[in-house]
Amino acid sequence: GENVEQHPSTLSVQEGDSAVIKCTYSDSASNYFPWYKQELGKRPQLIIDIRSNVGEKKDQRIAVTLNKTAKHFSLHITETQPEDSAVYFCAASIVNQFYFGTGTSLTVIP
Amino acid sequence: DSGVTQTPKHLITATGQRVTLRCSPRSGDLSVYWYQQSLDQGLQFLIQYYNGEERAKGNILERFSAQQFPDLHSELNLSSLELGDSALYFCASSEINGANNEQFFGPGTRLTVL
Repeated sequence: GENVEQHPSTLSVQEGDSAVIKCTYSDSASNYFPWYKQELGKRPQLIIDIRSNVGEKKDQRIAVTLNKTAKHFSLHITETQPEDSAVYFCAASIVNQFYFGTGTSLTVIP
Repeated sequence: DSGVTQTPKHLITATGQRVTLRCSPRSGDLSVYWYQQSLDQGLQFLIQYYNGEERAKGNILERFSAQQFPDLHSELNLSSLELGDSALYFCASSEINGANNEQFFGPGTRLTVL
């Protein structure tokens, strides 16, 4: 089955700096890659997603890149703010199954 | 608020017991997904239903089962509970069957097995 690895597990950045979270997947059939943000005690919320026919997608300060050949995708957050502090999960999807990474705890230091 | 509801919010029970978690999807969503989130782990996909039928199975134990009813709400049944089953259980719903569609998560049910 699909295996998703996510790095780093924790990340601290100064406010205003950029943060990058990387994920790799194993099954080349995966074709949908969402990113979720989960604040403490709350539900995961989709922040951005990318499909396998697209290499990059941007939404304001958030961007995701996908390299299908290397089977990795990354989340980029620019101009980080304290409210970006949360746990971020990547996922890879095949048909109806979703496989999540183990999460990255991001702390933005004011 | 995502529009997905889950009950109960918290559940405390003993080992060996059986519990049922309930999920109501967003209005119009036909797909329901169940996930388990343990303390030190990410989200583990358990099972998906679409319009009453099981469509995908992930890392779901044989002690666990689920179903989706004609009104589209879903229930996750956990039996012969073990300490290791303590976790946050989320359901999520999406509009259509298939991977390329946003999932909306419910607030979760926190299960504690003593």
